[in-house]
Amino acid sequence: DVKVTQSSRYLVKRTGEKVFLECVQDMDHENMFWYRQDPGLGLRLIYFSYDVKMKEKGDIPEGYSVSREKKERFSLILESASTNQTSMYLCASNLDRQETQYFGPGTRLLVL
Amino acid sequence: QQQVKQSPQSLIVQKGGISIINCAYENTAFDYFPWYQQFPGKGPALLIAIRPDVSEKKEGRFTISFNKSAKQFSLHIMDSQPGDSATYFCAATLNNAGNMLTFGGGTRLMVKP
Repeated sequence: DVKVTQSSRYLVKRTGEKVFLECVQDMDHENMFWYRQDPGLGLRLIYFSYDVKMKEKGDIPEGYSVSREKKERFSLILESASTNQTSMYLCASNLDRQETQYFGPGTRLLVL
Repeated sequence: QQQVKQSPQSLIVQKGGISIINCAYENTAFDYFPWYQQFPGKGPALLIAIRPDVSEKKEGRFTISFNKSAKQFSLHIMDSQPGDSATYFCAATLNNAGNMLTFGGGTRLMVKP
């Protein structure tokens, strides 16, 4: 069974703080993704990675960066959190050329 | 600008009824159209998917209808059950786009007992 885990289910941070969200998958997937989920907007892709140390911008990369030092781990970084980054963050992964993406349970981030 | 538009945003259906969720897309190069189901506190999970070379795909109580000329596709849930209460997302992707999914805005379905 594919398992994608995210480091925190809920997180509360202050404006200006640096925030790290971590995602780990145990299926040796090449691709990993970070989305944010907002009501009425669905899931929007922030960044994805198709290999270690490789990354590509998604639709809304502004204010975010990512790191993939190991194949199984993909981190999302908010360099200076802002209130408009309050959202649900979802990590996903899949094999190269596989269309189905497998999602983690999400991290609900509140920036005060 | 959303490339995949989904409606309605919320839907209430009686147990045993038919739930219908619609999606429209703009990019004619999309060639794979999945639906994801998300229960509260969980991440989305693939429910059913279709390619544009067929007009309908059925898996149990779930059916996708696809209209290529209208650039629309829809999810039908027959004999809806309270356990189907969830948020549903349609999506679309290009086969050569690194598996990047473009999602619709989501539909929150509630099935009343």
